[in-house]
Amino acid sequence: QQQVKQSPQSLIVQKGGISIINCAYENTAFDYFPWYQQFPGKGPALLIAIRPDVSEKKEGRFTISFNKSAKQFSLHIMDSQPGDSATYFCAASSGSTLGRLYFGRGTQLTVWP
Amino acid sequence: ETGVTQSPTHLIKTRGQQVTLRCSSQSGHNTVSWYQQALGQGPQFIFQYYREEENGRGNFPPRFSGLQFPNYSSELNVNALELDDSALYLCASSSGLAGTDTQYFGPGTRLTVL
Repeated sequence: QQQVKQSPQSLIVQKGGISIINCAYENTAFDYFPWYQQFPGKGPALLIAIRPDVSEKKEGRFTISFNKSAKQFSLHIMDSQPGDSATYFCAASSGSTLGRLYFGRGTQLTVWP
Repeated sequence: ETGVTQSPTHLIKTRGQQVTLRCSSQSGHNTVSWYQQALGQGPQFIFQYYREEENGRGNFPPRFSGLQFPNYSSELNVNALELDDSALYLCASSSGLAGTDTQYFGPGTRLTVL
């Protein structure tokens, strides 16, 4: 059973546009929601993370929006650049699962110049 | 500061063989987690080691086993390899056990089972 559901599977955006990736979860015990970025041949790298006590977190061009009641969270990439082309994974963890991260299936983002 | 390193980069084995993958954690990190990433999928948690003890396990059979050494480096051993074990195996280190401790991933070992 997929604990974290992610959509879309792939996304094509023009340079300068906004990329939006959505995730949903069922386990209300989850209390930490990171996003990872993965380039081909590399391991995932932490991009940005949020706790459920805030509804939004922004770091540069990257913003996480969090809706606790809907059990959904999303990543917005503003002014998307070709260098942002990568696979993005949402993930979740809880205090009871310690360091275990539950990942979504990933979104392959392509930004056209 | 040295990041997480893994060896080997690629590995080809045949069904039924055994394999050992290695991971060196980032300096100062005492916790190592292993994940399996099948093609086109997100990483799946295998297990985690903290101070040389297994500290949590995902839905993987006992033929997946591991070790952590006093210097916090780690090994993942897989016995009786099956075709479905073909995947990218990722090691991640962190400075603690908490879910909020950032996990830093290595580049992975690509295992192909023929």
